[in-house]
Amino acid sequence: GAVVSQHPSRVICKSGTSVKIECRSLDFQATTMFWYRQFPKQSLMLMATSNEGSKATYEQGVEKDKFLINHASLTLSTLTVTSAHPEDSSFYICSARLAGLNEQFFGPGTRLTVL
Amino acid sequence: DAKTTQPPSMDCAEGRAANLPCNHSTISGNEYVYWYRQIHSQGPQYIIHGLKNNETNEMASLIITEDRKSSTLILPHATLRDTAVYYCIVRVARYSTLTFGKGTMLLVSP
Repeated sequence: GAVVSQHPSRVICKSGTSVKIECRSLDFQATTMFWYRQFPKQSLMLMATSNEGSKATYEQGVEKDKFLINHASLTLSTLTVTSAHPEDSSFYICSARLAGLNEQFFGPGTRLTVL
Repeated sequence: DAKTTQPPSMDCAEGRAANLPCNHSTISGNEYVYWYRQIHSQGPQYIIHGLKNNETNEMASLIITEDRKSSTLILPHATLRDTAVYYCIVRVARYSTLTFGKGTMLLVSP
């Protein structure tokens, strides 16, 4: 149980385009989902926290207009990187917290490459 | 959440026990010790957590010192697939998000 999926696993796009990444909790309802970003040889950095049905809370330094997060249901959250640039190339990982519990379960990650 | 300190890297021979230390000298009474690992190009995987008692599950054992200022994650019989970055995280259960440090890169060799 407690499986989190991400789609796509890998995406390559041209500079200036937008990319949407989906995060799904497959066998549980997640009231809270988290989005992390990981640059090569660095640790995971929390970008934002989203609660179902409300606006996401972004960490300092993360542009909310560039990284659009939607958490419209208890099993799906999306991250849209708008007008992507090469510096947005990174490994994006989502995490979901099971309602009523404290455990966070992570997705397999999405490798974004912006040319 | 309290800060943790881990060695940047460790080596272990396949089949031997891997003992990964973590220092959390400023831990508060209501903070738990969590361990996650991240295999290359994958999302983090939960391993184990504890408050003050030692814990064991099918993956590992967690030994927390009596003063709770440090802990050790033990992989009893390391395999090549245990090669990963291991993160020790201290957090107040239920309310705080997971904040990752640099972790320990464990390399298990044949």
